[in-house]
Amino acid sequence: EAQVTQNPRYLITVTGKKLTVTCSQNMNHEYMSWYRQDPGLGLRQIYYSMNVEVTDKGDVPEGYKVSRKEKRNFPLILESPSPNQTSLYFCASSPRTGLNYGYTFGSGTRLTVV
Amino acid sequence: GQNIDQPTEMTATEGAIVQINCTYQTSGFNGLFWYQQHAGEAPTFLSYNVLDGLEEKGRFSSFLSRSKGYSYLLLKELQMKDSASYLCAVPSGNTPLVFGKGTRLSVIA
Repeated sequence: EAQVTQNPRYLITVTGKKLTVTCSQNMNHEYMSWYRQDPGLGLRQIYYSMNVEVTDKGDVPEGYKVSRKEKRNFPLILESPSPNQTSLYFCASSPRTGLNYGYTFGSGTRLTVV
Repeated sequence: GQNIDQPTEMTATEGAIVQINCTYQTSGFNGLFWYQQHAGEAPTFLSYNVLDGLEEKGRFSSFLSRSKGYSYLLLKELQMKDSASYLCAVPSGNTPLVFGKGTRLSVIA
């Protein structure tokens, strides 16, 4: 089944403890992206990647890191999480061509930083 | 950059028709997407318009006017399960989709 898989679905952590949210897609998509979603603010871009070893900042990259060593994986790293990073996170992927298919989203990761 | 506006909330009655509007400003147009998102779940693709006019897909239709920077999503024969947020989104060059803040639709009996 074609899908984007994120893990974990839920995570509660403490301020300053490094964490990684994994994202993997099995559709051979070139584009991958991370969004966070907060009430009243909608989906906002954190980082995106157009291909292996190519990553760029989105609108809200502060406090986050990403890597794209393989086409299928695009992990989101929080080196020192803070409470303002409490949010619902989505990973998404898209083929390089075929814009009319838009993005396929993972199921989301609800992160709470205390 | 992109600027996308849509109403924050709407309420409609089961069985009725509702129109959700979206206005956008973008440098270079590459189409417009509509997504549906149930609370706490991932957005799912509904429609994509790149040419002017109405695209019909079952109970859902989407309209685009590029000259006016305007789109709407039309939902017919509303069902309770249509209660969700509806997100308007536009691509911007090589960057990912830029989303509006979404319209939360409540369908009431």
